[in-house]
Amino acid sequence: AQSVAQPEDQVNVAEGNPLTVKCTYSVSGNPYLFWYVQYPNRGLQFLLKYITGDNLVKGSYGFEAEFNKSQTSFHLKKPSALVSDSALYFCAVRDTNAGKSTFGDGTTLTVKP
Amino acid sequence: EAQVTQNPRYLITVTGKKLTVTCSQNMNHEYMSWYRQDPGLGLRQIYYSMNVEVTDKGDVPEGYKVSRKEKRNFPLILESPSPNQTSLYFCASSPMASDTQYFGPGTRLTVL
Repeated sequence: AQSVAQPEDQVNVAEGNPLTVKCTYSVSGNPYLFWYVQYPNRGLQFLLKYITGDNLVKGSYGFEAEFNKSQTSFHLKKPSALVSDSALYFCAVRDTNAGKSTFGDGTTLTVKP
Repeated sequence: EAQVTQNPRYLITVTGKKLTVTCSQNMNHEYMSWYRQDPGLGLRQIYYSMNVEVTDKGDVPEGYKVSRKEKRNFPLILESPSPNQTSLYFCASSPMASDTQYFGPGTRLTVL
């Protein structure tokens, strides 16, 4: 069975500082990994994905994520946080053949001015 | 505009009264899925559909039914809702099972 862990319920950073939101996964076969963001009272929006290729993936709004196969991790990063980045972030893994999609419990990011 | 729509957006009902939440996408996507979001539990997959007439259980299918009679629609049916089905529900679609998912705006359901 596949699984996703987001070990931090909450991440707090100061505006302008770098941020990291952690994600580890477990899946049989090659992973398809995603990050989504949810703003208050909104649906989920896609940020970035790793399918294959370069381990460093760049996405929307200046976010990036690094795929680390040996550590089974896919941490979300941004060099300089903005107050507007404050939201709920979800990591997800997809089973490429069977159609199942598993999300982490989410990490609330708060960026303070 | 490419989108996933859900109706209703808000619903308050009583235990045992059958209800249907509709989901429609206009992107000609093969894959569709339903999730529920509960505080501290993230999104949990209820059912998914790889294409028309093919559906399968996700992680929390108990108490729910789905059908996929045409590509664009994927309704979620609660035959006899119970209070533990009070949740925020999201429908999503993607071109294929391995692709990025596009989410609807959500349906907040309260079962009294």
